[in-house]
Amino acid sequence: DAKTTQPTSMDCAEGRAANLPCNHSTISGNEYVYWYRQIHSQGPQYIIHGLKNNETNEMASLIITEDRKSSTLILPHATLRDTAVYYCIVRVERRSGYSTLTFGKGTMLLVSP
Amino acid sequence: GAGVSQSPSNKVTEKGKDVELRCDPISGHTALYWYRQSLGQGLEFLIYFQGNSAPDKSGLPSDRFSAERTGGSVSTLTIQRTQQEDSAVYLCASSLVLVRGVGAQNNSPLHFGNGTRLTVT
Repeated sequence: DAKTTQPTSMDCAEGRAANLPCNHSTISGNEYVYWYRQIHSQGPQYIIHGLKNNETNEMASLIITEDRKSSTLILPHATLRDTAVYYCIVRVERRSGYSTLTFGKGTMLLVSP
Repeated sequence: GAGVSQSPSNKVTEKGKDVELRCDPISGHTALYWYRQSLGQGLEFLIYFQGNSAPDKSGLPSDRFSAERTGGSVSTLTIQRTQQEDSAVYLCASSLVLVRGVGAQNNSPLHFGNGTRLTVT
C-alpha cells in the first residue's frame, strides 16, 4: 500500500507557482520522499527526491517539514506542459531487503491559460 | 544518453495467446523493474531484478506471468494464455545499484520507459 496521501486534483494558472501537498505521516527515518509525474501516454518522469533537507533542481523544489510527516512540491512557474498526474512516493523496504517505489493515485494538476 | 526502451509500443493479441514484452534498460543500470498500469489506475509493481540475485517476484499477479533478464541487461516479460484483464500498459524502469538491508536506503531514482500498451481482445 502507498504510504502517502495527496489531493485528487488541483488547478493552477499558467505562470503561477503550483504547490502540491503530500502527507506521509508514517514515514520512517531513513525513507526518502520521491516525486514523479506522468503525462498522458508516457511513462512516469522523475522530478526530485529528498530525505530531510529541502531540495531544488531545474524542475522543482521540494519542501519537507521538520517532522517529515508532509512535504510540498513546488513548480515555481507552471506552464501548460506541466499538466500531468503528480505522484508523491515513499520508497518502501520490501521483505527481500530491497526497496521499490509504490505508487498511489497521485494528484492531477491542470494548468490553465 | 538513451533512456529505457520498450518494445513493442503497442500490442493487440487474442485471448489465450502468449505475449512477450521487451525492455532495454539504461546502460549501467543494474536494477530493473516491471510495473503495470490499468486504465485510470496507479502503477502496480510486478517484479524486479538486481544484478545476479534472485528476482523479487512478489508482485506478479498469477503464474501466467514470468520475466527473465539475460546477461544483466535486457529483460522480457512473458504473459501466457492472456486474459482480457491483462489489458494494461506495462512499464519498465531501471536504476543504479540497489543497496540491501535496513538503513541502507538506496536513493537512486527509477527511470521509466514509455511502456507497452497491451490489449487483449
